[in-house]
Amino acid sequence: DQQVKQNSPSLSVQEGRISILNCDYTNSMFDYFLWYKKYPAEGPTFLISISSIKDKNEDGRFTVFLNKSAKHLSLHIVPSQPGDSAVYFCAASAFGGATNKLIFGTGTLLAVQP
Amino acid sequence: EAGVAQSPRYKIIEKRQSVAFWCNPISGHATLYWYQQILGQGPKLLIQFQNNGVVDDSQLPKDRFSAERLKGVDSTLKIQPAKLEDSAVYLCASSRGTGANTGELFFGEGSRLTVL
Repeated sequence: DQQVKQNSPSLSVQEGRISILNCDYTNSMFDYFLWYKKYPAEGPTFLISISSIKDKNEDGRFTVFLNKSAKHLSLHIVPSQPGDSAVYFCAASAFGGATNKLIFGTGTLLAVQP
Repeated sequence: EAGVAQSPRYKIIEKRQSVAFWCNPISGHATLYWYQQILGQGPKLLIQFQNNGVVDDSQLPKDRFSAERLKGVDSTLKIQPAKLEDSAVYLCASSRGTGANTGELFFGEGSRLTVL
């Protein structure tokens, strides 16, 4: 039962353009969402998060949008840079993250072409 | 601040053999996690410790996997006997507290296990 889904295994974008990575979830108890970035041979690193009481959170070039009714969130990267090339994981937790039990999606490989 | 340390980085064993992974979390982090990441999948939580007590081990295959956290600091994850399907990257992570909104998880580089 895949509670967090990232349906696009890969995405290729030109440098300077917008990258949009999508994530869907099925568990209505999820109320905290995070994006992690992973380079090859490294562990995932935290990128940005959003609570279900918000519909948008912005940090520099990265913005996460949450649509609770659609159980959908997206990560926008503007402008995209070659250094953004990595695997991006969407993760979700319940109860305000009280247990910190994160459920991860399968990841989307982003390739930013110079 | 030093990051989460894991060893070994790579391990190749034959099925039915045993293996152990070690993790040293960030100093002062109360919560420690072991995740399993199979190729093409997202990380899956195996076990979560709060100090040296287990908070969640619902997805740990207890017939072959065991984990402990000594004195609330370092942790070891053991697999005995290993199966082919245990081939994966084992990620250790730590966080200051239990709440995701009090700080994100910090991951180590992972230990890649290949079972032949």
